[in-house]
Amino acid sequence: NAGVMQNPRHLVRRRGQEARLRCSPMKGHSHVYWYRQLPEEGLKFMVYLQKENIIDESGMPKERFSAEFPKEGPSILRIQQVVRGDSAAYFCASSPFSELRAPSYGYTFGSGTRLTVV
Amino acid sequence: GQNIDQPTEMTATEGAIVQINCTYQTSGFNGLFWYQQHAGEAPTFLSYNVLDGLEEKGRFSSFLSRSKGYSYLLLKELQMKDSASYLCAVRRMDSNYQLIWGAGTKLIIKP
Repeated sequence: NAGVMQNPRHLVRRRGQEARLRCSPMKGHSHVYWYRQLPEEGLKFMVYLQKENIIDESGMPKERFSAEFPKEGPSILRIQQVVRGDSAAYFCASSPFSELRAPSYGYTFGSGTRLTVV
Repeated sequence: GQNIDQPTEMTATEGAIVQINCTYQTSGFNGLFWYQQHAGEAPTFLSYNVLDGLEEKGRFSSFLSRSKGYSYLLLKELQMKDSASYLCAVRRMDSNYQLIWGAGTKLIIKP
């Protein structure tokens, strides 16, 4: 009964390269959330997706960042032309319900991808 | 604006009790979560409060006062494995799926 799987665990990219972060939610979970965490700071919401749909991307920068959750396969967070400021831990969380149906149900988080831009 | 405040760091002794406070100012309120995060690992769900009062779950309890915008997490019989960061998160009323997170409280347990 695997939890939320994120890969890679660590990712090093040079400035200007692309970073692709993958998240496979728990089996049966169709709601995926991406968060960014800087050292000594809280989790910052980026985007909320359901299968094939972006529900809320208000926390995601409009340039260089994109996310998808296709019908088949993992959710992908893509960062193009990375800059040093993109260095952070990126966490994915999943839930089987929308918040409206089960607001008390906590998220299950993956172990994160630590992106370092050199 | 949205604001969640927690102490940055706390130290406690093994076997003792510690209370981690969280105050919040958000546009509406629809529940408060506590998560535990060990260094380099995923946050894990501890508790959820939406009504005033104390919720007890084993060694951990969480309290909420909505009128004061205040919550605390109480950890009893502390163990070394409780050394971790404790994150407070509030769900806003105007956004049923978006949580606002505090920066976390790093708890250090000493023998």
